[in-house]
Amino acid sequence: KAGVTQTPRYLIKTRGQQVTLSCSPISGHRSVSWYQQTPGQGLQFLFEYFSETQRNKGNFPGRFSGRQFSNSRSEMNVSTLELGDSALYLCASSSEGGLAKNIQYFGAGTRLSVL
Amino acid sequence: AQKVTQAQTEISVVEKEDVTLDCVYETRDTTYYLFWYKQPPSGELVFLIRRNSFDEQNEISGRYSWNFQKSTSSFNFTITASQVVDSAVYFCALTYTGGFKTIFGAGTRLFVKA
Repeated sequence: KAGVTQTPRYLIKTRGQQVTLSCSPISGHRSVSWYQQTPGQGLQFLFEYFSETQRNKGNFPGRFSGRQFSNSRSEMNVSTLELGDSALYLCASSSEGGLAKNIQYFGAGTRLSVL
Repeated sequence: AQKVTQAQTEISVVEKEDVTLDCVYETRDTTYYLFWYKQPPSGELVFLIRRNSFDEQNEISGRYSWNFQKSTSSFNFTITASQVVDSAVYFCALTYTGGFKTIFGAGTRLFVKA
């Protein structure tokens, strides 16, 4: 079974631009969560999607948005990039949404650098 | 409030030493799950262990063992006979019923020297 796939692996953007990151979950998994990882703030929850519905959102500005498609693939978008958005963005999938016991399976991440 | 604290920022050990990673959590929920994940240099977090709030039995799985104590809200993780390949960042995490999200600690970077 293929794991969680995130594309692209690396991105370089300039301030003010926008970016879209993609995540393909493990086949059969319907829940996708996104996290931002930085040296200063650690791993921070962005949002979680289940069956195309966003069920929870972290404390990030509206510039961060996401969506999930009917095949469970997910995208996140960051508009008007700022230097502080430079981070490793991780996607995780799990087999069922809403169950606290679910193990999350992570992708290798997209490393975004904003210049 | 839900919170996970990993007080150890970095730990350095010599191969074959045992090492314990500490985790203290806060939650008002009575039903919750605790996890340990490992993040090697490749970047992706890898699931290691899971424990629910109703089961305080401590277990051993290979070189890994964990000690869950509700009385002190701690969920510590021990690697026995550490190996160089154990070098990574280790995260303790908490999920709770209905939260639809996972709260991670700040992580502990483990260096195992040959």
